Amino acid sequence: EVLLLESGGGSVQAGGSLRLSCVASDFTFSAFGLSWVRQAPGNGLQWVSYISGSGATTSYTNSVRGRFTISRDNSKSTLYLQMNSLRVDDTAIYYCARVDRLTSTTGLYWGQGILVTVSS
Amino acid sequence: QSVLTQPPSASGTPGQRVTISCSGTSSNIGSNYIYWYQHLPGTAPKLLMYKNDQRPSGVPDRFSGSKSGTSASLDISGLRSEDEADYYCTTWDDSLSGQVFGGGTKLTVL
Repeated sequence: EVLLLESGGGSVQAGGSLRLSCVASDFTFSAFGLSWVRQAPGNGLQWVSYISGSGATTSYTNSVRGRFTISRDNSKSTLYLQMNSLRVDDTAIYYCARVDRLTSTTGLYWGQGILVTVSS
Repeated sequence: QSVLTQPPSASGTPGQRVTISCSGTSSNIGSNYIYWYQHLPGTAPKLLMYKNDQRPSGVPDRFSGSKSGTSASLDISGLRSEDEADYYCTTWDDSLSGQVFGGGTKLTVL
């Protein structure tokens, strides 16, 4: 069974940093792109960042570009999101999700989510 | 302001049919596949439809999807109380080089 499990969330003050991890199992990790998607309190789903299977291609939503860095370690089947210069409006549940091949869009498999709280 | 436009709410009584619309542009819906998710607070989003009109295994055929030009829609027939949730459309946007979501539609079963 394909599983994605996030960790690394928590509470941090504005300006601080956190690194989220997402460990995957039961699929050929390097064959799939992955994305981070978040949901802030009272808001809808927002795509944050994408990385290709090889890690060679990345993309970010405008509000996190330059502050967040997505990366992956295919030898460890692990996806990361390094979040620097955190702002109060980064407070959200963060999900990692496997991307459908050929469409670059999140598909069937998502983690359960991890809460990131940024206080002022 | 979301790139894809959905009505914020929809409602129906049990057994009715409800349609949720999703409007975009030529750089997103017009040139890429649309996906639909059902989301309950505190849980992972559940994929309802992929590549416009394909249902994942286990999704009832009461759910159907379609796309025409720069718009898409999700139809739910035979509405049930357990369908009460938030629904999101999403696709890739070639101009933004990123995935975009609709603002979500809260479905209420009266």
